[in-house]
Amino acid sequence: DAKTTQPPSMDCAEGRAANLPCNHSTISGNEYVYWYRQIHSQGPQYIIHGLKNNETNEMASLIITEDRKSSTLILPHATLRDTAVYYCIVRSGTGANNLFFGTGTRLTVIP
Amino acid sequence: NAGVTQTPKFQVLKTGQSMTLQCAQDMNHEYMSWYRQDPGMGLRLIHYSVGAGITDQGEVPNGYNVSRSTTEDFPLRLLSAAPSQTSVYFCASSYHLGQPQHFGDGTRLSIL
Repeated sequence: DAKTTQPPSMDCAEGRAANLPCNHSTISGNEYVYWYRQIHSQGPQYIIHGLKNNETNEMASLIITEDRKSSTLILPHATLRDTAVYYCIVRSGTGANNLFFGTGTRLTVIP
Repeated sequence: NAGVTQTPKFQVLKTGQSMTLQCAQDMNHEYMSWYRQDPGMGLRLIHYSVGAGITDQGEVPNGYNVSRSTTEDFPLRLLSAAPSQTSVYFCASSYHLGQPQHFGDGTRLSIL
């Protein structure tokens, strides 16, 4: 599975969009980009995933560059409850169903 | 659905003791896995299972055993607890290969 690089921390004003970047320059053709988050000490929570097209669900949008070497998770209207550590993970859809978590980005939403 | 249920939520052990961390899911998921998370770090995979009767090692399997006799349950056994195993343990499950995983709330384990 490809490695990912994320900034260690970011701040975002409440009500504004939070844009969390992730670099995955060694991603291969069959690898998906997944995003999870971990609020305080709870178990990680799945947010969204994609292969090459942009994806949107009720929680967030995922923008993947055309060369697939980077992506951005967008929380359109951040709330205080979105304060969490966000993990970008790249994994093969045909490999064992395990996830390699790095240290993620700690997003702090500021009132 | 209760989702993924882990018990106990907290546990303190003495070095050398053994114990079993329980994990159960009621979503009929084929895949289940165990992770540990040490302070300030991401999650590391201990063991995983692709279905009843099938298990395999992850990144940090030493000192832990697993079994998968039913689809619903995936217990993690510490054979002889060591202080280095003090951590938060998370169990996760998913429907099939490549599907997003659902996580439990974790078991916080301290070994003295």
